[in-house]
Amino acid sequence: QSVLTQPPSVSAAPGQKVTISCSGSSSNIGSNFVAWYQQLPGTAPKVLIYDNDKRPSGIPDRFSGSKSGTSATLDITGLQTGDEADYYCGTWDSSLSASWVFGGGTKLTV
Amino acid sequence: QLQLQESGSGLLKPSQTLSLTCAVSGDSMSRGGYSWTWIRQPPGKGLEWIAYIHHTGTLHYNPSLQSRVTLSIDRSKNQFSLQLSSVTAADTAVYYCARLGNYVDNWGQGTLVTVSS
Repeated sequence: QSVLTQPPSVSAAPGQKVTISCSGSSSNIGSNFVAWYQQLPGTAPKVLIYDNDKRPSGIPDRFSGSKSGTSATLDITGLQTGDEADYYCGTWDSSLSASWVFGGGTKLTV
Repeated sequence: QLQLQESGSGLLKPSQTLSLTCAVSGDSMSRGGYSWTWIRQPPGKGLEWIAYIHHTGTLHYNPSLQSRVTLSIDRSKNQFSLQLSSVTAADTAVYYCARLGNYVDNWGQGTLVTVSS
């Protein structure tokens, strides 16, 4: 069971918007930056969002992130079939058993 | 451009020791601000962080794996290595090496390690 909670799956039609949530606690999301990763089938994850809401160069502005309290959200607008992938949130957990933690992943179907 | 490439044993028997190396090119591992990490993903499952080694040599392990994990760095070869002892079928996964700052910003392509008798 993952420290960060994500919905197992979401779906939407091409051109629509989807939101993926990531719920944690005060020791992880509540006190550290969140990153979001996209994993296309058969490939390594790639960072989409870092520091809660920043996009690396080359990531379209269709992808956006936000954080409030102990939850984070990834929004994807103008969905394309190429966005079908698994999405993971990740952050540092500052509890006594300090470690880097990930959500269980969300499968996006377009 | 930073590149990371995993190599090592792909098929192990239970109780053996997993050994993987990550060759880093396009950046010096001694450059400040980053750690070098291993993350694994069992087939069909999510990501699990294993450990990281800071450019200063400081180590940090996932508490659930700490007793079995050894991480080392070879600055002369610009590479770092993972050893995981006493493997079981539950350690079957794709193992990724990566660079870690405030987030994991560069990943290797991953290497599948299978544990089977």
